[in-house]
Amino acid sequence: QVQLVQSGAEVKRPGASVKVSCKASDYNFTSYGINWVRQAPGQGLEWMGWISTNYGDTNFAQKFQGRVTMTTDTSKSTAYMELRSLRPDDTAVYYCARDHYHYDSSSYSQTHYFDYWGQGTHVTVSS
Amino acid sequence: EIVLTQSPGTLSLSPGERVTLSCRASQYVSSNFLTWYQQKPGQAPRLLIYGASTRATGIPDRFSGSGSGTDFTLTISRLEPEDFAVYYCQHCDISPWTFGPGTTVQMK
Repeated sequence: QVQLVQSGAEVKRPGASVKVSCKASDYNFTSYGINWVRQAPGQGLEWMGWISTNYGDTNFAQKFQGRVTMTTDTSKSTAYMELRSLRPDDTAVYYCARDHYHYDSSSYSQTHYFDYWGQGTHVTVSS
Repeated sequence: EIVLTQSPGTLSLSPGERVTLSCRASQYVSSNFLTWYQQKPGQAPRLLIYGASTRATGIPDRFSGSGSGTDFTLTISRLEPEDFAVYYCQHCDISPWTFGPGTTVQMK
């Protein structure tokens, strides 16, 4: 069945960078985009951005513009999220989630949601 | 940015009770792009309802979604022990695709 398996936990110093991977299996990787969502300890979910696995187009939340890079390696069915200039408040669980967008040309209807999620990667930023 | 507000923040209920969770948007959200997720401690979120009212694969029919425009509702007709969790609404209308702050459904 569809799976997204993320890389392991990371501990980083303030100012460093972290790169998290998300390996997809059991579906056509380039047919669905990938979103990245984070969750600080005891807090809610925060959308960081989206990448098209087909064309590499990206769409980032303004908060992360200039500090985040999202890439894919289609030969490995893997998406990556790199966050730079880490601060202690970047400590969070980072999730990848498959982007499900569907347009029905017969009814002109659309749906868009995140259907499968990775298990999460704990990133701790501490001196 | 569309801000989603969820109420109440926390509900303390017993198994068997009916639950109604609210999600209000700061501006119009197409119902096609309104989604509900469930998250249990230590787990990733799980897709429950998409398109405001369509249950995801494998979701029991005690879960239902409704609403349009700026007001959306998730209803659990009869709480089961496994339903105690945090519930988030989210939109994929205009970027950024934001989440609500969540409603915690806890056991009384």
